[in-house]
Amino acid sequence: EADIYQTPRYLVIGTGKKITLECSQTMGHDKMYWYQQDPGMELHLIHYSYGVNSTEKGDLSSESTVSRIRTEHFPLTLESARPSHTSQYLCASSAGTGTGVYEQYFGPGTRLTVT
Amino acid sequence: GNSVTQMEGPVTLSEEAFLTINCTYTATGYPSLFWYVQYPGEGLQLLLKATKADDKGSNKGFEATYRKETTSFHLEKGSVQVSDSAVYFCALSDRGSGGYNKLIFGAGTRLAVHP
Repeated sequence: EADIYQTPRYLVIGTGKKITLECSQTMGHDKMYWYQQDPGMELHLIHYSYGVNSTEKGDLSSESTVSRIRTEHFPLTLESARPSHTSQYLCASSAGTGTGVYEQYFGPGTRLTVT
Repeated sequence: GNSVTQMEGPVTLSEEAFLTINCTYTATGYPSLFWYVQYPGEGLQLLLKATKADDKGSNKGFEATYRKETTSFHLEKGSVQVSDSAVYFCALSDRGSGGYNKLIFGAGTRLAVHP
C-alpha cells in the first residue's frame, strides 16, 4: 500500500487568499508530481520534481508554485487564489532513478473551491 | 506527440455483465502502458500495467493486453460488480526532455454498475 498523504482534503477559501496544499510521502521516492483534475475528470500535469531542490513546470501552465527542500515533502502554493483555481489537485510520487519506468502512486487529493 | 484515447463514458452495466473499455495510443518508441482506477472521492490507484508488446497485465479480475500491432490496451473484466463503479484511466509512459519519465493519461471513462 502506497503511503502518500495530502492535506487538507477539502478547502473552501475566498478570493485573494494565499494557500498551501501539503503533500508528503513516506516511501523515499525521488520523483514527485502535482496534477490538476478538472470536473470533466481529465488530468493535467502542472509541476514535477526529480528530487530535492529540483522543480519543473508541467504541461499545463499554472499560477501555482512548488518547492522541494525535503525528499518526502512537495507543497504547492497559490499566492492569491481565484475562482479559476477551483479544482481537484492530486499529488503523486514514483521511485527510481535514471530513465527506468516506474508507476506513480497517488494521494487522495485536495478539492479546492475558491469563492 | 504521444497521446492516449479512451472510449467515452459513461458506461452503464448490470452486475455480472462483461466489461470492455477501449484504449488506443500513439507513441514513438516502446512505452509502458497502465490502467488506473479512481473511486469516488479518492486519488488514482494503479490497477494493472504492461511494459512490452504482448504482455498481459491483470489484477482483481481485470485484464489488458499490450497490442503493438493495433496500438491498443483495452481493459476487460468478465463479470463486473457494483463495487467496480469508478473512473478508469488508461495511461502511457513518456520520456520527456532530460530523461524524465511522465505519464500521459486518457480522458477517463466512468463506469456505473447497477445491481
